[in-house]
Amino acid sequence: QVELVQSGAEMKKPGASVKVSCKAAGYNFSAYDIDWVRQTSGQGLEWMGWMSPQSGKTGYAQKFKGRVTMTRDRATNTAYLDLSSLTSEDTALYFCARGGVVERCRGGTCKYYNWFDPWGQGTLVTVSS
Amino acid sequence: DIHLAQSPSFLSASVGDRVTLTCRASQDISNFLVWYQQKPGKAPKLLIYAASTLQSGVPSRFSGSGSGTDFTLTISSLQPEDFATYYCQQFDTYSWTFGQGTKVEI
Repeated sequence: QVELVQSGAEMKKPGASVKVSCKAAGYNFSAYDIDWVRQTSGQGLEWMGWMSPQSGKTGYAQKFKGRVTMTRDRATNTAYLDLSSLTSEDTALYFCARGGVVERCRGGTCKYYNWFDPWGQGTLVTVSS
Repeated sequence: DIHLAQSPSFLSASVGDRVTLTCRASQDISNFLVWYQQKPGKAPKLLIYAASTLQSGVPSRFSGSGSGTDFTLTISSLQPEDFATYYCQQFDTYSWTFGQGTKVEI
């Protein structure tokens, strides 16, 4: 079945970096984007960015630009999230998700509807001195 | 950035109830809206996309409607496994935002 399996919990000190992995199984890894979303009690669900496993192209949320890097290894069907200069506000549950899209055309006009499914199980990153 | 406001934040209901959750966008998003269900300790699960299209495998008691700025998620007859937090999500110019969630509890 289609699934995303993430790496285990991390404990980091302020100023450090963290790398979270997300291994895809059950589908063509290159055919769908991988998105990263984090969840905190204060901010709720927060989208961080996307990556195309096919091309390696990325797009990051403005808030994280300069601190985040999303990469992939097509040989192992694994996506990675790198977040640097960690602070306590980066303490969160980090999810990867498969980004899908459906095309609907009517009268010569097409719309593209995106969704995230499935999601990985989440990786808890705790930043504390 | 487009902001999504969900209401209510908490909803107390009983098995068998019909419940309606609301998501309001700060500007017109057509029908580019998605709904997820999240249970404690689990990842969100896709329920509905394009505002009203039920994801495969999702029970038909779930339905979505709306367009523009106002959207609803309806559960026609609440089941024990439906007690969870529900989030709406929208896509705008290569950026996603989520609502703050509605927790449905007994």
